[in-house]
Amino acid sequence: GENVEQHPSTLSVQEGDSAVIKCTYSDSASNYFPWYKQELGKGPQLIIDIRSNVGEKKDQRIAVTLNKTAKHFSLHITETQPEDSAVYFCAASIGNFNKFYFGSGTKLNVKP
Amino acid sequence: ETGVTQTPRHLVMGMTNKKSLKCEQHLGHNAMYWYKQSAKKPLELMFVYNFKEQTENNSVPSRFSPECPNSSHLFLHLHTLQPEDSALYLCASSQGLVWDEQFFGPGTRLTVL
Repeated sequence: GENVEQHPSTLSVQEGDSAVIKCTYSDSASNYFPWYKQELGKGPQLIIDIRSNVGEKKDQRIAVTLNKTAKHFSLHITETQPEDSAVYFCAASIGNFNKFYFGSGTKLNVKP
Repeated sequence: ETGVTQTPRHLVMGMTNKKSLKCEQHLGHNAMYWYKQSAKKPLELMFVYNFKEQTENNSVPSRFSPECPNSSHLFLHLHTLQPEDSALYLCASSQGLVWDEQFFGPGTRLTVL
């Protein structure tokens, strides 16, 4: 099956700085890559996603890049704010089926 | 109620108990999921239901028994659990099974003594 690895496990940045979280996947058939944010006491919430026919997608301060050849994708958060502090999960999905393989998560701490 | 709700939010049970987790989605979705979230481990998909039919059982032990009476409700029946089953159990729903966003509930924190 698919294996998704996520780095780093923890990330601490100063408010206003950028944060980058990286994921790699093993199965070249994976073609959908969502990113979820989980705040304390809540379930994960989708923040951005990308499909394999696109190399980059941006939504305000958040962007995701995908390199299919290298089988890795990254989440970029610019101008970080304290409310960005949370655990972020990447995931990969194979085929036209909503079976997600999740990374182990990155705990982001944005210091005011 | 809006979104995906789960009850109870916290549950403590002994290894010989039988309990059930409940999930309800108010989004009109057709697919529902159970995930297990353990500390420092990736979210693990347990079961998938689409239009009340189970489409995925990710090699889950039989002490976990799901039930989906309709597209809005999903249960996870628990019996003779082990301490290593202690985790956060998350329910999610999506409109369909093709690249659709999964909406998660807040989870049930389960502790098995």
